[in-house]
Amino acid sequence: AQSVTQPDIHITVSEGASLELRCNYSYGATPYLFWYVQSPGQGLQLLLKYFSGDTLVQGIKGFEAEFKRSQSSFNLRKPSVHWSDAAEYFCASRRSGTYKYIFGTGTRLKVLA
Amino acid sequence: GAVVSQHPSRVICKSGTSVKIECRSLDFQATTMFWYRQFPKQSLMLMATSNEGSKATYEQGVEKDKFLINHASLTLSTLTVTSAHPEDSSFYICSARGDLTTDTQYFGPGTRLTVL
Repeated sequence: AQSVTQPDIHITVSEGASLELRCNYSYGATPYLFWYVQSPGQGLQLLLKYFSGDTLVQGIKGFEAEFKRSQSSFNLRKPSVHWSDAAEYFCASRRSGTYKYIFGTGTRLKVLA
Repeated sequence: GAVVSQHPSRVICKSGTSVKIECRSLDFQATTMFWYRQFPKQSLMLMATSNEGSKATYEQGVEKDKFLINHASLTLSTLTVTSAHPEDSSFYICSARGDLTTDTQYFGPGTRLTVL
């Protein structure tokens, strides 16, 4: 069955440090992949998405993600984390043949001052 | 662009009453709207998918008579939690996609429901 895995439940980084959040998907064809961020008590904001083309995708707030078919991964990166980046991050894939999403379990990012 | 609103943001109700949550796409026509439920510190669980002018499609295990969904226009969908019980307390989030947004869903800010 199609699935999205975020191996890290919690990640803590110092402000100014680089960040990489992992996301793995299981799907035979090229999936439609998304990263969303959720601040406490808020809805989800789209950071970036990948459908096809250039495998390095630029998003908002200085985030980028790289699609690697060989590793079935779509990891999210940011070169220098800001305290305001502390939030929950969700990776999602569009379910094959539908417009429904499959969400990963989320990674909670904590940023140390 | 692609803004989705939800109302109310928070609601507290007594057990046995019904609560209606509205989801609106403000600057695009939402062909499809989705309703999710999110438990504390967990991921989003899709409850149902609604297309404008047709009946909602519910995910397995979701009671359609308890969670009534109406998608009466291209900009509005409503979720009514009927005969609410404390176990219905949760964070409910809607999302919408339109013909122009295609495969991307845009999410509302969520509604915190507390049933006493």
